[in-house]
Order: sequence, then C-alpha cells, then structure tokens
Amino acid sequence: DIQMTQSPSSLSASVGDRVTITCRASQGITNYLAWFQQKPGKPPELLIFAASTLQSGVPSRFSGSGSGTEFTLIISSLQPEDVATYYCQNYNSAPPWTFGQGTKVEIK
Amino acid sequence: QVQLEQSGAEVKKPGASVKVSCKASGYPFTSYGINWVRQAPGQGLEWMGWISADNGNTNFAQKLQGRVSLTTDTSTNRVYMELRSLRSDDTAVYYCARGGRWLQFSVPLDSWGQGTLVTVSS
Repeated sequence: DIQMTQSPSSLSASVGDRVTITCRASQGITNYLAWFQQKPGKPPELLIFAASTLQSGVPSRFSGSGSGTEFTLIISSLQPEDVATYYCQNYNSAPPWTFGQGTKVEIK
Repeated sequence: QVQLEQSGAEVKKPGASVKVSCKASGYPFTSYGINWVRQAPGQGLEWMGWISADNGNTNFAQKLQGRVSLTTDTSTNRVYMELRSLRSDDTAVYYCARGGRWLQFSVPLDSWGQGTLVTVSS
C-alpha cells in the first residue's frame, strides 16, 4: 500500500503569514493527490484535487503543487477561518487510498 | 445538489456488530462509488473501504479485512457499512464519501456525509 507522510504535524502562524504543508507519497502517484480541510466537529471538505486544481468555492489563497511523490499545500495569507486540520490523500488507480496523518494549523 | 445522509449514532457492546447507512441523492447513484472513512476521537482520518455502486465490487483496508462489509441497495440509493466483532478501539465517527466507481477509480472524495458516531462500550 502507498504510505502518505505529511509535515509538519502542527504549526502556529500569524494572520497574513504564508503557510506551507508538505505531503510525500511512498511511491509515485502522478498527480492523483487531494487536500482536505477539516474543522472541529465537521466532516472533511475537499480543497484541492489533481494536486493543484481548486475545488469550486475554495478561496484563491489556497494553492497546491507537485507530482510524483512530493506535494505542497500553500495558504498564501493565513486567515482566522483557516484554523483547521489539513489532510492529504492519494487516489491513484485502484484502492486502498490512504490519508496523511494530518497537519493542525493554529493562529499565533 | 449532491447529498449523503447517514444514519444516527449507535452505542454497542464489545463483540457486537453495527450497520451504518448512507443515503445518496442529487446525482446518478451508479455512476460513482462510496468510500468509508473513520476518525477515532482526537485522531486522523482512516480509510476503511470502498464499494462501486454499479456492480458492488469492494476493496478494504487490510487491517479491517474479514470484519467489515459494504453493500448497496440501488432501489433506495443506499450504501450500508457493517462492522463486526466490535472493540473499544472501533469507537469513532464513521463517514461515507463519494468517489470513483469500478475502473474509474481516480475520482477525489468530493462529497461527504455528516458522520455517524459509533461508541463501543461495555
């Protein structure tokens, strides 16, 4: 099975800061990588798919990049409503489709 | 709009089984698959398994093989997840999420149910 490793596991940043989260796959997954945002008590929401395509309605301060085994989620200017846990997931070819362990984002 | 509506919270004793339903609406049911993802208290997301709504093909996480089953009812657009031989560490919120179907796997999980809390306690 493909393993997904996210870093960091948590971060604290100021409003307006640029935030970067990394996700590494144990083997190449081309660009079949999704990012999810989960706020406490809510189901995850799809932010980005195909590594860099923004889901409809997602603010443009979110962006994604990467292919193969290395992927990045960037929040260009952190806002208070971005406090959440972010997960990456591979959905390359057949299942199983694993999640990263999550990155908790807080405001400093 | 796409909606996934899950059944209500459950409390079960160790060793029992639980069956959670997920009713889909707002899209052609057999054009997608349904994934199940669970989240233990304070923990991350764990992918459990997948079923293709058109032909019932399934795939499960290795650690749950033999304890979990997924079925569909195309007459009511429902997917059922049954977990057997429950243990305390199965206590979690269980989510269904729409994804790809058989041979069209590479579809992101774009719509999620509200979650169902399953508590396993003696």
